[in-house]
Amino acid sequence: AQSVAQPEDQVNVAEGNPLTVKCTYSVSGNPYLFWYVQYPNRGLQFLLKYITGDNLVKGSYGFEAEFNKSQTSFHLKKPSALVSDSALYFCAVRDRNAGKSTFGDGTTLTVKP
Amino acid sequence: DTAVSQTPKYLVTQMGNDKSIKCEQNLGHDTMYWYKQDSKKFLKIMFSYNNKELIINETVPNRFSPKSPDKAHLNLHINSLELGDSAVYFCASSRGGASSGEQYFGPGTRLTVT
Repeated sequence: AQSVAQPEDQVNVAEGNPLTVKCTYSVSGNPYLFWYVQYPNRGLQFLLKYITGDNLVKGSYGFEAEFNKSQTSFHLKKPSALVSDSALYFCAVRDRNAGKSTFGDGTTLTVKP
Repeated sequence: DTAVSQTPKYLVTQMGNDKSIKCEQNLGHDTMYWYKQDSKKFLKIMFSYNNKELIINETVPNRFSPKSPDKAHLNLHINSLELGDSAVYFCASSRGGASSGEQYFGPGTRLTVT
């Protein structure tokens, strides 16, 4: 079985400050890990993924995420937040032998000017 | 050149009616999905097809019936609509099999049952 947890429903940061959106996961094997962003009234958009290799993954719009196997975490980060980053963020995990991804409940990021 | 498209974008209907949502992807992907996003924004997978074959069928009422005429299309038919079916339905696609491919989502269909 696989599961993913996003412990924060809401994250608030000031523009220009660093942001972190947390994600922890549980899989029986090795995971594929994904981050998606959803803007209001839009479908989810892929941001970045971890497959293998370097634990620090860089993605779209200046976002990055760090895979930490010992802590089973895959937190999303950005060094300097923009107001336009305000959106709903989903973490997803997929066991390499599974046919589907499991999505977290989502974290609403609000960046204030 | 939209990658994953859905029609209609909005659907308002009465309880008991039957309706369909259509999805098409032009990415050449083998796998397509239907998700339901409820009013709390929780995303739940409903079905997945790989090359026209049903591979995931979550606990969904049998009033919901997916159909994949070819690997570029996945439609969702809903019979006897209920108030609780009101949600946003997303179609998605990805490279097939147990691949590392990310999913590409359509814009969603907002279904309102009155």
